[in-house]
Amino acid sequence: EAGVTQSPTHLIKTRGQQATLRCSPISGHTSVYWYQQALGLGLQFLLWYDEGEERNRGNFPPRFSGRQFPNYSSELNVNALELEDSALYLCASSLEGPAGFYEQYFGPGTRLTVT
Amino acid sequence: GNSVTQMEGPVTLSEEAFLTINCTYTATGYPSLFWYVQYPGEGLQLLLKATKADDKGSNKGFEATYRKETTSFHLEKGSVQVSDSAVYFCALSLQGAQKLVFGQGTRLTINP
Repeated sequence: EAGVTQSPTHLIKTRGQQATLRCSPISGHTSVYWYQQALGLGLQFLLWYDEGEERNRGNFPPRFSGRQFPNYSSELNVNALELEDSALYLCASSLEGPAGFYEQYFGPGTRLTVT
Repeated sequence: GNSVTQMEGPVTLSEEAFLTINCTYTATGYPSLFWYVQYPGEGLQLLLKATKADDKGSNKGFEATYRKETTSFHLEKGSVQVSDSAVYFCALSLQGAQKLVFGQGTRLTINP
């Protein structure tokens, strides 16, 4: 069974540009989560999508946005990039579960560097 | 708010040493608790979990017990190996919220 995949592996952008990160969940998983792993700040929750809807959002500005497609894959968009957006962005997927908690399986991440 | 505090690293041990990585939490409600491991160049993997007080999670020789009275979930292993070198994250999740709240991570290096 294929795991969570993310693309690209690395992304280099200039300050002020937009970045688009992609995630494909494990087959059968309907929930997708995005986390930011910035140096010195640890892992922080960004967004949770389930069945195409945004279910929960972390403490990030609106220039961080995303969507989930009918095939449950997801995009994370970061507009007006700032230097501090440089981080490893991790995607995770799980079975649907607002009533309970299902294990989140993580992808290898996309390393975003803003210069 | 909800938060997780981990023992600061890095931690360096010799092979076959006993390992403890401390983790305490603050949560509104009754969280589920997790330990994730991140090997170099890889994403996070769930190592073990516990969903209620006094539960013990275990996997690959690692153990952690959910202690509600001390709000702790310390990770232990009796005899570490070089292959255990990684970054370990303690995390919690509250039912319905789904998101994981992580500690800062502890980098563990095991020397042969």
